[in-house]
Amino acid sequence: GAVVSQHPSWVICKSGTSVKIECRSLDFQATTMFWYRQFPKQSLMLMATSNEGSKATYEQGVEKDKFLINHASLTLSTLTVTSAHPEDSSFYICSARSFGGKYEQYFGPGTRLTVT
Amino acid sequence: AQKITQTQPGMFVQEKEAVTLDCTYDTSDQSYGLFWYKQPSSGEMIFLIYQGSYDEQNATEGRYSLNFQKARKSANLVISASQLGDSAMYFCAMRVGSGDKLTFGTGTRLAVRP
Repeated sequence: GAVVSQHPSWVICKSGTSVKIECRSLDFQATTMFWYRQFPKQSLMLMATSNEGSKATYEQGVEKDKFLINHASLTLSTLTVTSAHPEDSSFYICSARSFGGKYEQYFGPGTRLTVT
Repeated sequence: AQKITQTQPGMFVQEKEAVTLDCTYDTSDQSYGLFWYKQPSSGEMIFLIYQGSYDEQNATEGRYSLNFQKARKSANLVISASQLGDSAMYFCAMRVGSGDKLTFGTGTRLAVRP
């Protein structure tokens, strides 16, 4: 089946620094990727929809200047958490839907971010 | 607005028995899709099963089946012959129309007892 990878799988950073998370579709082209955030023992909340070659669409309440998304190619989307603060600590998961593929989204393994 | 409700925060089931995880949804759209995902402790989201709103038959995928009751707006997941490896969080999700956005429920944690 389709494989989506994320890097890094976990990261610890200091408050005020920026962190970049990569999401790659390994064996298919993804015109659309999604970024979710999941707090402990809670559900996934969609942060933004990333389209290759265009600006990301952010969900209401998500700061676009804080969570920068770049979908540079059909296999790579990046999420940069700028000026991270402890409240940004969370589990970030990306997903991708293949171009012309079936209905389901394929999820990456997630990135656990801890801001100290 | 779309909403998914999972009322069971946690469930226990004996190994080899069947279990039903509840999911109700709310949408005014006629075209929608319902999904179930499994999230083990490692964190990855594993797609289990899909049901389209116009599908006449309930979806089945191996030990997973979806009990789709459109009039009641419910899409319960049935896992037959539970295995220890089925212990995980289970999320029900919905996609409306031709869009790609998924709305997730709050999840049900399933624990399979040996």
